[in-house]
Amino acid sequence: AQRVTQPEKLLSVFKGAPVELKCNYSYSGSPELFWYVQYSRQRLQLLLRHISRESIKGFTADLNKGETSFHLKKPFAQEEDSAMYYCALSKDTDKLIFGTGTRLQVFP
Amino acid sequence: NAGVTQTPKFQVLKTGQSMTLQCAQDMNHNSMYWYRQDPGMGLRLIYYSASEGTTDKGEVPNGYNVSRLNKREFSLRLESAAPSQTSVYFCASRRTATDTQYFGPGTRLTVL
Repeated sequence: AQRVTQPEKLLSVFKGAPVELKCNYSYSGSPELFWYVQYSRQRLQLLLRHISRESIKGFTADLNKGETSFHLKKPFAQEEDSAMYYCALSKDTDKLIFGTGTRLQVFP
Repeated sequence: NAGVTQTPKFQVLKTGQSMTLQCAQDMNHNSMYWYRQDPGMGLRLIYYSASEGTTDKGEVPNGYNVSRLNKREFSLRLESAAPSQTSVYFCASRRTATDTQYFGPGTRLTVL
């Protein structure tokens, strides 16, 4: 079965520190993977998807099929990055499977 | 474009009451979704509609019904609300299965 695991419920860092939000998935084949972000009291919005291979707001994520991971990284965290981050998986289906989310807190 | 809109934003119900959450999108998207968001559980799919006239169960459909009224609108009904249905409900839509999903602002529902 398709499954997305985000092992950290909360990640706290200081401004300027590197950030890595972990995401592991289970799926046989080539999945489509996404990172969504939800800022305080706002709707979820797409941050990035692996097929785009782009950097959004300084965040990048690389799909590692060997480790079945899609970790989200940023070299220097900013206070405005504080939010809830969800990893999600989709393949050959209309459905997205979400992880349980990681709350990122960036302290000044 | 307004994107995905949801009404109401907040609702308090008593156990056993019924209500309908409304969702509409103006992006001409084919697929629409209803999720619930609970602390520590992430987003869980309740029902979805791949196209106008079709609906399918998601991960947690019990206690809910849906109607895809037309291409724009997808409603979620709680026939007899229970405290376990206290949650934040999000509607989403997307054009095709390979596109990103666009989310509404959410409805915060409390069942007493």
